[in-house]
Amino acid sequence: EPEVTQTPSHQVTQMGQEVILRCVPISNHLYFYWYRQILGQKVEFLVSFYNNEISEKSEIFDDQFSVERPDGSNFTLKIRSTKLEDSAMYFCASSDYYGRNQPQHFGDGTRLSIL
Amino acid sequence: QKEVEQDPGPLSVPEGAIVSLNCTYSNSAFQYFMWYRQYSRKGPELLMYTYSSGNKEDGRFTAQVDKSSKYISLFIRDSQPSDSATYLCAMGYNFNKFYFGSGTKLNVKP
Repeated sequence: EPEVTQTPSHQVTQMGQEVILRCVPISNHLYFYWYRQILGQKVEFLVSFYNNEISEKSEIFDDQFSVERPDGSNFTLKIRSTKLEDSAMYFCASSDYYGRNQPQHFGDGTRLSIL
Repeated sequence: QKEVEQDPGPLSVPEGAIVSLNCTYSNSAFQYFMWYRQYSRKGPELLMYTYSSGNKEDGRFTAQVDKSSKYISLFIRDSQPSDSATYLCAMGYNFNKFYFGSGTKLNVKP
């Protein structure tokens, strides 16, 4: 069964540094998402992306965050200047044709640790 | 205001038991309801998806949505030790954004 693939599985970064988290969505999917899960807390929506632009973003997704689909397969989340509170699991998800309202399929996440 | 509430458990049951997992929500505009299973150090895995009210069955799993009560349930029949995981409900009013519950940790004892 097709999968959403995320790399790296664990990223350790110094506070203030930039980090890029990478995702390869399921190949025929058109809609892409990032969520995060702080340890012991809920999965929280960050951003959705369709047709090379952001569809919706949460209040968490401030100017320090950006997303990009640099080629036909990758979908990235960049955090420009990381803070301690950015430490979390970051999940990428993708879904099929929007008009058929298909649910989201998740990758296994990248654990981001900010020191 | 908390959008989605879910009892965190943990819930411990013997093998073969029927498990009932529940979520309540506050936003009457929610139309899409999902249940995900999450194993330790893994991403959420889609189990069931329901649009609007009603029941949906898939093997040992049954999802119910009661929009009038703003209450959704997942039932697991003949529970197995391999069902031990955290179960997350998720919902939304469109497919741009989902709101998740905090997850219920289930332990099925052999």
